[in-house]
Amino acid sequence: QVLLVQSGAEVKKPGASVKVSCKASGYTFADYLIHWVRQAPGQGLEWVGVVNPNNGDVDYPQKFRGRVTMTRDTSTTTVYMEVSSLGSEDTAVYYCSRERGATYFFDHWGQGTLVTVSS
Amino acid sequence: EIVLTQSPGTLALSPGERATLSCRASQRVNTITLGWYQLKPGQVPRLLIYGASNRATGIPDRFSGSGSGTDFTLTISRLEPEDFAVYYCKVYDAAYSFGQGTRLEVK
Repeated sequence: QVLLVQSGAEVKKPGASVKVSCKASGYTFADYLIHWVRQAPGQGLEWVGVVNPNNGDVDYPQKFRGRVTMTRDTSTTTVYMEVSSLGSEDTAVYYCSRERGATYFFDHWGQGTLVTVSS
Repeated sequence: EIVLTQSPGTLALSPGERATLSCRASQRVNTITLGWYQLKPGQVPRLLIYGASNRATGIPDRFSGSGSGTDFTLTISRLEPEDFAVYYCKVYDAAYSFGQGTRLEVK
């Protein structure tokens, strides 16, 4: 079955970076975009960006450009999201999810990774 | 970037009742990009509706979506106990935007 399995919880200090992984299985890796969405405590969902596993193309909303980097490793069918210059406002659960190209919906989600930024 | 405004912020209803959730966009949206998701505490988001009115795989037919242009609606015809959750609409227009959510709680 389709699985997106994320790496475990992280605790980081302000100004540090964090790298979260999302391993995909159960489907053809290259056929689906991988998005990252986050939910801060008590807040709603926020789109962080997308990576195309087929060619590595990425797109980030303006808010995260220069601070978020998404990459993929086709040999291990794993996608990575790195967030740099962490602040307390980055404390959130980060989810990866997949979209079949240009269908605009995310049908499977990872279990979420809690990133806590605290001094 | 499109701003999505969901209303009401909180909706208190009883099992068996009908729920109507609204999502209004700041500008006209491409209907095929409008989706609805359900989120329960401790769980991952669940896709309910895509393309404004298409139920995702495995979603009960008590869930329905409608709308076009700037106004969209998620309707739950008869609430089951497991339907009490937070619901988000989402749209794409050069970037993805989520509404702020509607909390559906037990009255």
